[in-house]
This record gives sequence, structure tokens and C-alpha cells, in this order.
Amino acid sequence: DTGVSQDPRHKITKRGQNVTFRCDPISEHNRLYWYRQTLGQGPEFLTYFQNEAQLEKSRLLSDRFSAERPKGSFSTLEIQRTEQGDSAMYLCASTETTDGSNYGYTFGSGTRLTVV
Amino acid sequence: RKEVEQDPGPFNVPEGATVAFNCTYSNSASQSFFWYRQDCRKEPKLLMSVYSSGNEDGRFTAQLNRASQYISLLIRDSKLSDSATYLCVVNRDDKIIFGKGTRLHILP
Repeated sequence: DTGVSQDPRHKITKRGQNVTFRCDPISEHNRLYWYRQTLGQGPEFLTYFQNEAQLEKSRLLSDRFSAERPKGSFSTLEIQRTEQGDSAMYLCASTETTDGSNYGYTFGSGTRLTVV
Repeated sequence: RKEVEQDPGPFNVPEGATVAFNCTYSNSASQSFFWYRQDCRKEPKLLMSVYSSGNEDGRFTAQLNRASQYISLLIRDSKLSDSATYLCVVNRDDKIIFGKGTRLHILP
């Protein structure tokens, strides 16, 4: 386990279709984050998990978006009824926290979504 | 107003020059601070953490002024390989918040 893995790397879908992305964090990391990045912008926070618990969701995460981390290991991000505005890079990051201290975030290579 | 604001860029500088990036953050509850580097179509990668005492890593120097809510990054003797987008990042409430980034082009 050398890093954070995301699958697929690229996804092209037609408007209205559902898509699901997967993230496998670094195995000993208890926190997992999802971010979205559009061209020319920095990554924007979507949601995060501590183990299997989803602790916060951004207002960017509309009801068409759902994220899970069922066993506290990998996570999935699903987008239902995709819209062209969903086209972006979806980044996953993980980190380890101990006693409230954070040891840095490691990002995956991202899933680039294009909605046509 | 964005929570983390950076110079809009891009910066086009000749190889060997010194480059300075500036960043301000609006939430005084921000707890820790970082600079990330992002190459084109790649994921962000941690460049360095930023401490109030200032810290240096080779050609890179980062400074934090909590009173002014200001963060800086200085790159000395810039190399062609420094060309990338530099993202100012703050950690608040168990998540990291990114600035828009400043693109740097080092010219041969």
C-alpha cells in the first residue's frame, strides 16, 4: 500500500446517468476526504469520514451526491442524475489523526468526470 | 470573499529568479497552514508546512503571521522544474481549505 488509489481515472457519462467513484485510502489512515476541483480553481471540500462515520458534508454536496465508507476502509462517491456542471476532478485524500493531531493529507490521483 | 485568498497569477519569471507568493486567510480559527504544489492534471502534493517561527527547506522559505492572517512562500534560485500551481492551504475544523492557487511558469 503505497498511497491513495482512486478508480476510475477518467469517466465520461451522458447527462442524467449515475456514476460511482471509488477511493482506497492509505490503510492506517482513519480519515478520508472527498474534494472537487474545477479548472482554474483550488480543490473544494465535499465531505469527510472518520472511520465509517460521515462527520461533515459541504453545502456543495447536493442531494444527488452520496458518499459511503461502509467498513471504515474504502469509500464510494455516487452522483445521481449527472449534470454538465458536475464535470470536474474528484479528489480523495486520507490522513491519520491521533489525539487531535494531524499528520498530513495524502491525495489520490483523482477521477476526472466529464458529463456530455 | 473566499476563505483563503492568493495572488491571482500567473507568474512568469526567468530561471534563477526569486519568486514570492502571498496568501491571506479570513478565519482566525484556522489551526495549521501549508503550501501544496500541483502539477498540471495531477493531484496536489504537500510542499511544506508553515510555522509562525518561519521555516526553510532548501530553496523554499515559508512564513506565517497569525496576527495579520498572512502566509507567504519564497522560492530562491528558481528552476524550470518549479513550474506548477502553488496552493495555499489552511486546516480548520478537521479539514483543509484551499486557495485558488497561483500558477508559476519558470522561463529558460
